[in-house]
Parts: sequence; C-alpha cells; structure tokens
Amino acid sequence: KNEVEQSPQNLTAQEGEFITINCSYSVGISALHWLQQHPGGGIVSLFMLSSGKKKHGRLIATINIQEKHSSLHITASHPRDSAVYICAVSPGGTSYGKLTFGQGTILTVHP
Amino acid sequence: DAGITQSPRHKVTETGTPVTLRCHQTENHRYMYWYRQDPGHGLRLIHYSYGVKDTDKGEVSDGYSVSRSKTEDFLLTLESATSSQTSVYFCAISVTAYEQYFGPGTRLTVT
Repeated sequence: KNEVEQSPQNLTAQEGEFITINCSYSVGISALHWLQQHPGGGIVSLFMLSSGKKKHGRLIATINIQEKHSSLHITASHPRDSAVYICAVSPGGTSYGKLTFGQGTILTVHP
Repeated sequence: DAGITQSPRHKVTETGTPVTLRCHQTENHRYMYWYRQDPGHGLRLIHYSYGVKDTDKGEVSDGYSVSRSKTEDFLLTLESATSSQTSVYFCAISVTAYEQYFGPGTRLTVT
C-alpha cells in the first residue's frame, strides 16, 4: 500500500462545477503539499500546509491531521484547471525536504 | 521557477551509453533533488544533495550516480542507460524547510 493515496485517479467535470480531490496518507508528516502539472509541463506548488485550511483564488486546501487526510477543492472550475494534481507529504522526522508523492489525479474540465 | 534550469530538455540515447543530466540553480540553495516521473508510479526520489560533495540515495537510486562539485550544479549520471530508465526527470530545490520548487524536466528516451 502506498504511503500517499489519492482519489479519484481520474476526474471529469463540466465548466463551473465544484471539484474535490482527496489525499490520504499513512505516516506522520511535517507538511503536506498540493502540486499542479499541466500536460507536458512543469510542476508547480499550489499549497503547503501542516494544519487547517488555505485559500488561493478558486483553490482551497484543507488538512485533518488526526484523520491523516487532505482535500483540494476547486470552485467554479474552468477548462484551464485541466491538469494533474499531485499530493505529496514531508514525512515527519525525515531530512530536509524529502517528499513522498501520491500518484496524481488527472482532472479534465470540459467547456 | 526559482531560477532552476535543466539541460538537456529532451534526449534520445541508445542502450548502454552514458548520459548526464544537469540541474542548475541561480540562488545558492543548499538542498537539491533528482526525481523521475513514470506513469503508474508518480514521482520518485533518485538522489538528493544537502551541500557541495554531500549526496545521498533516494528510493530508486540503482543505476544512477550524482555529483555536486559546486552549489549551483547537481548532475545526474546514468553510467550505462537502459530502457527502464526512459522517463521524465525533474530536478528540485528546497527553498525553505519543506517547500520545494521544480525544474522544467528532462524527457529521456533510451532505445
């Protein structure tokens, strides 16, 4: 079983829909990251969080440390949100910055 | 992009040939990482460096070596490339304790 599990693996939505991507992890962590990767593109960090909730524009990330679970929400989705979304964790007690990744969620938003 | 470049961006090589990928940063960050990204496996850590001449192995280090003779450059070498090393390779740096920025990636095909 992977230390970081994402669901769903694939997600298709219509423009304007509210989207949720989930991430569960099985290890103690120092921080959790949400990353975005457009087709053929580089990897961009969206959020890094260790508790609570963060919001940036239409994106919201939440984390529940007790339940070892995080969610990424996209409000009013748009075709330009189509990308792979990757959850990653910095395991607690590990050396600086080593990340363990989920396999990613492929999001497609249709106009 | 935190001043990270990778070269080459694309390479096709034959089985058994040596290959070196270069990661260059302009901001003198101490920690640097090499990852590979494969369908079905997500991103996996190959090697990382915590300073000049200080490197350590990651999850999938077999068949790879690294060198860091100066802060700004982190080299990944495949001594004798195999088809299983066909992948997209990403370099990353740690800007803060847990936050990472990724380079644009190198697509390597071993025929």
